[in-house]
Amino acid sequence: AQSVTQLDSQVPVFEEAPVELRCNYSSSVSVYLFWYVQYPNQGLQLLLKYLSGSTLVKGINGFEAEFNKSQTSFHLRKPSVHISDTAEYFCAVSVGVAGNNRKLIWGLGTSLAVNP
Amino acid sequence: EAQVTQNPRYLITVTGKKLTVTCSQNMNHEYMSWYRQDPGLGLRQIYYSMNVEVTDKGDVPEGYKVSRKEKRNFPLILESPSPNQTSLYFCASSLRGTDRGEQFFGPGTRLTVL
Repeated sequence: AQSVTQLDSQVPVFEEAPVELRCNYSSSVSVYLFWYVQYPNQGLQLLLKYLSGSTLVKGINGFEAEFNKSQTSFHLRKPSVHISDTAEYFCAVSVGVAGNNRKLIWGLGTSLAVNP
Repeated sequence: EAQVTQNPRYLITVTGKKLTVTCSQNMNHEYMSWYRQDPGLGLRQIYYSMNVEVTDKGDVPEGYKVSRKEKRNFPLILESPSPNQTSLYFCASSLRGTDRGEQFFGPGTRLTVL
C-alpha cells in the first residue's frame, strides 16, 4: 500500500535557526507532492507543490522543498524560521494513473514549535 | 473572498442524536471532500464528491452520510453519532480532483459526542 512517512512528529527549533521537515513516500509511479500548513485553530492551506519540472520548489512564507526521486523524499526547508511559523505541517502525495481519480495520501504531520 | 465555510464550528451532542455539519464553497469547485483529524492518526478522508450527485467513500466512511445536490454544498450527516466520532472535521474543495490542484480547506468543526 502507498504510504507517506513524516519522519519527525515534533520539531522544536529556536527562532532564526534553519529547519528541515522530512517526508518520504512509497510509490514507484508518477507522483505529485504537496506540503500543507495548519496554524493553530485553522484549516490547512497549501505551502507548495511539486508537479513536474525543477525539483526545487519554492512556496509561501519562505519555505522550499526538494523532490528527490531516487530517495523518494520531499523534504521541506526554511533557512530562518519565525515564531509565526509555529504550526502543524502535513506532507501529502497524489498517486495513481492520470485523471481526476488519483488518491491523495497524507502523512501524520510534523508539529513545528519555534521558540524565542 | 474565495472560501470554504463550515457550520457549526463547535458542537457538543449526545449519542444517537442526528446531526448535520454544513459545508459550502464559493469557488465553483467540482471536487469536495470531508476529512476527520485525530491525534496520532492525521487526516483521514470520510467521503468525497467529484461533482453534483457523484459521491464516493473515502477511507473511513462508516457512520457517515453525505449528499451533493448542489455544486456549492456538501453536508456531512451523522445519523446516530457515537463517542468514537468525536473529532475535528474538515471540509475541502478543489477545482477538479486531487491530482494537481490545491485543496482549499474550511476552518474545521470540532465535534464532541457524549
